[in-house]
Amino acid sequence: AQSVTQPDIHITVSEGASLELRCNYSYGATPYLFWYVQSPGQGLQLLLKYFSGDTLVQGIKGFEAEFKRSQSSFNLRKPSVHWSDAAEYFCAVGSPAAGNKLTFGGGTRVLVKP
Amino acid sequence: GAVVSQHPSWVICKSGTSVKIECRSLDFQATTMFWYRQFPKQSLMLMATSNEGSKATYEQGVEKDKFLINHASLTLSTLTVTSAHPEDSSFYICSARPAASYNEQFFGPGTRLTVL
Repeated sequence: AQSVTQPDIHITVSEGASLELRCNYSYGATPYLFWYVQSPGQGLQLLLKYFSGDTLVQGIKGFEAEFKRSQSSFNLRKPSVHWSDAAEYFCAVGSPAAGNKLTFGGGTRVLVKP
Repeated sequence: GAVVSQHPSWVICKSGTSVKIECRSLDFQATTMFWYRQFPKQSLMLMATSNEGSKATYEQGVEKDKFLINHASLTLSTLTVTSAHPEDSSFYICSARPAASYNEQFFGPGTRLTVL
């Protein structure tokens, strides 16, 4: 069964500083990997996705993520955070073998200090 | 493109009543829709997968008689919470998978259900 771990429940970062959110997955083959952002009381917005090919993926809002097969990781990064980046971030994994159902990590709440 | 709507966005009901939540794909056809539940400050848990024209597939531990799912068309799926109780209070989110894209899901804005 596929699983996703986001080790950090909360992260506080100063505005303008860099941000890295960790995501580790467990799956036998190469999964489909996603990062979503959720503002309070809202649905999920897709930041970026990885299916195959270049392991460094660019997304919206200045985010990028790198797929590292050897570490089973798909960490999300942003070089300089804005106050509007304060939100909950979810990593998710899907696979054709599981009918492309998504399994979500527990989420990381990002707080941005002025 | 790829917009998914949910209605209502929030609902308050009395214990014992039934509540229907609609999920619509506005600009694409969705052969598959998914229903998730999210408790406060927690992640999304998949409840069920619905395919147009067939019965929904429920995840382990989800009561199919409690959470009725109907996917009557390629653009509409409904979730009915029957005989709702306070413990059913939650944030319900749907997603839709386009017929042309097996890998991606597009999420609705969610519905906040409060059962008094």
